[in-house]
Amino acid sequence: DQQVKQNSPSLSVQEGRISILNCDYTNSMFDYFLWYKKYPAEGPTFLISISSIKDKNEDGRFTVFLNKSAKHLSLHIVPSQPGDSAVYFCAAVGSNYKLTFGKGTLLNVNP
Amino acid sequence: IAGITQAPTSQILAAGRRMTLRCTQDMRHNAMYWYRQDLGLGLRLIHYSNTAGTTGKGEVPDGYSVSRANTDDFPLTLASAVPSQTSVYFCASRKTGGLNTEAFFGQGTRLTVV
Repeated sequence: DQQVKQNSPSLSVQEGRISILNCDYTNSMFDYFLWYKKYPAEGPTFLISISSIKDKNEDGRFTVFLNKSAKHLSLHIVPSQPGDSAVYFCAAVGSNYKLTFGKGTLLNVNP
Repeated sequence: IAGITQAPTSQILAAGRRMTLRCTQDMRHNAMYWYRQDLGLGLRLIHYSNTAGTTGKGEVPDGYSVSRANTDDFPLTLASAVPSQTSVYFCASRKTGGLNTEAFFGQGTRLTVV
């Protein structure tokens, strides 16, 4: 059973607009959440994270929102740029330190 | 070495052969992980280690083994490779011990089993 779910395999957005990537989780013991970005033929790179004691974390154009009651988090990218085109992975950590990933969402930002 | 390094970068392996993928980090991170990435399946955890001397099974451990003799190294071994193990393998490390921190990834090993 998949504990971290990214239900949208792909998303296409116009340059300058907002990109919203969604992630749901089932394990209420997760207490730390991360977003990673991955380009082809490269390893994933860390983007932004949020602790379960917060509901929002912002870093430049990237903001992550956490809704614990809904077991849902989202990544907002504003404004979107063509260089943001990549696969985005949501990940979660629980008390056992296991790092569990979703299947990823391919974001395409059109110029 | 700076960060986390995987070797080899790519390999073609005959089915039935034994293969060890190497992973080394110089950040003194206590936790290390092995993932495989397959199209449509995302990053699936194979094995992990929270500290030197301990290992644990992830989502897809069958056919793989790991060891963690020291802090820096976390090799992944395929005892007898099968075509379904064709994948891109990523190693990662992370500092834990009461802290919430991000994991750092290697560049990956592309393995083809024929």
